[in-house]
This record gives sequence, C-alpha cells and structure tokens, in this order.
Amino acid sequence: SAVISQKPSRDICQRGTSLTIQCQVDSQVTMMFWYRQQPGQSLTLIATANQGSEATYESGFVIDKFPISRPNLTFSTLTVSNMSPEDSSIYLCSVRGLGETQYFGPGTRLLVL
Amino acid sequence: AQSVTQLGSHVSVSEGALVLLRCNYSSSVPPYLFWYVQYPNQGLQLLLKYTTGATLVKGINGFEAEFKKSETSFHLTKPSAHMSDAAEYFCAVSEAGGYQKVTFGTGTKLQVIP
Repeated sequence: SAVISQKPSRDICQRGTSLTIQCQVDSQVTMMFWYRQQPGQSLTLIATANQGSEATYESGFVIDKFPISRPNLTFSTLTVSNMSPEDSSIYLCSVRGLGETQYFGPGTRLLVL
Repeated sequence: AQSVTQLGSHVSVSEGALVLLRCNYSSSVPPYLFWYVQYPNQGLQLLLKYTTGATLVKGINGFEAEFKKSETSFHLTKPSAHMSDAAEYFCAVSEAGGYQKVTFGTGTKLQVIP
C-alpha cells in the first residue's frame, strides 16, 4: 500500500482567494487522482493528474478553476481558484496501486467564508 | 457505464448485532468491487476488495463481503458490531482491465448503539 500525505490538513479561506493543496506519496505511482467530497455526499472525481502532461478533467470541472500540477511520480498539487462558499469540501488525493486498489490521503478540509 | 447503489444512508445496529450494509452495482464488464471506511475527520481506508477468484472476500476488522454476480450485489457484513465500527462506509466499483475510473456509492453511515 502507499502512504499519502496532504498539506494543509484544513484551512479557512475568504471568497475570491485561491488555495493550493499538496499531495505527497511515499513511492512512485503512475496514476494520481483528485476527488472532492462535499458535506454529506460521496466522492466525486475532479481529475486525473498525469505526469508530464496536462491533467484529465471530469465533466463539470475545468482547468481554470482547478489547475493541477504533477511534476514527478510522487507529488501533485491541486489549486482551488477564486473560491466561493460552494467550494467548501474535503479534497482528497488518491493513487492507484496494485490490483486496481485506490489509496487515499487524509484529505484537506476547506471552509470558504 | 458503471454505477453503485447503496441502500440506506443510515443504518443503526446494537453492539454485538449483525452488521449488513447493502451494495448493488451496475457494470457492462466484469467488475472490481471495493468497500472503504471513513472515520470522522479522516480519509478513506480500504476494508476489502473483490477482483477475481473466491467470491467471499474477507477484510480487516472482521468484515467480509460476498460477490453475487446473479444479484449484482456486494453486501458487507460483520457478525458482531463493535462501537469502533461506527463510521461511514462506501462501496465502489471499477471495470476490470486497465486503468478504469472508480465510481463510489453515496455512502452508509453506521451507528452502533451500546
């Protein structure tokens, strides 16, 4: 299994600002993902972070709002841009391991005022 | 396209009673199936998974699940609930073969009553 850390673990931000979330994995992985979990809801895939190329976004998510970087096989960042209260969520980094299993980081709890 | 349905957003059981959390899936190809648990203020932890082989899968913390293709189900059970089992449980499916997207159910919150 992979050990995943995220920074920050939580934050309170003002509307209109941006926050960058970091995800670090303890081993090299090909597939990294970013999910959003809105209050009381399930996980929604935002995008797949590809090393050396642009991220692949799911329907309803755009690069201008959620820019993603993937400079190497162990690290990725997700930025939540021009935030509004609707962006208040838990943001989870995930990696794909052996046997199609996905492992998750502890999440970043974001509150936008 | 694949989908997951979890019946019951909230389930309450008494301590020591059987835990049964229901999950039905839809997939056009053989599925990989997963159960994850999320404790308060934590990320998701893998409980167990089914990929191929034996249809009864045992996981951590005494949980198990059985893949029933004819019923398109993957229900999670535990013979005797413990207070520490109180958490939210997510069923998930991906399609076998290559790197396929994982789809999560809406989750079931398990309450254990002393």
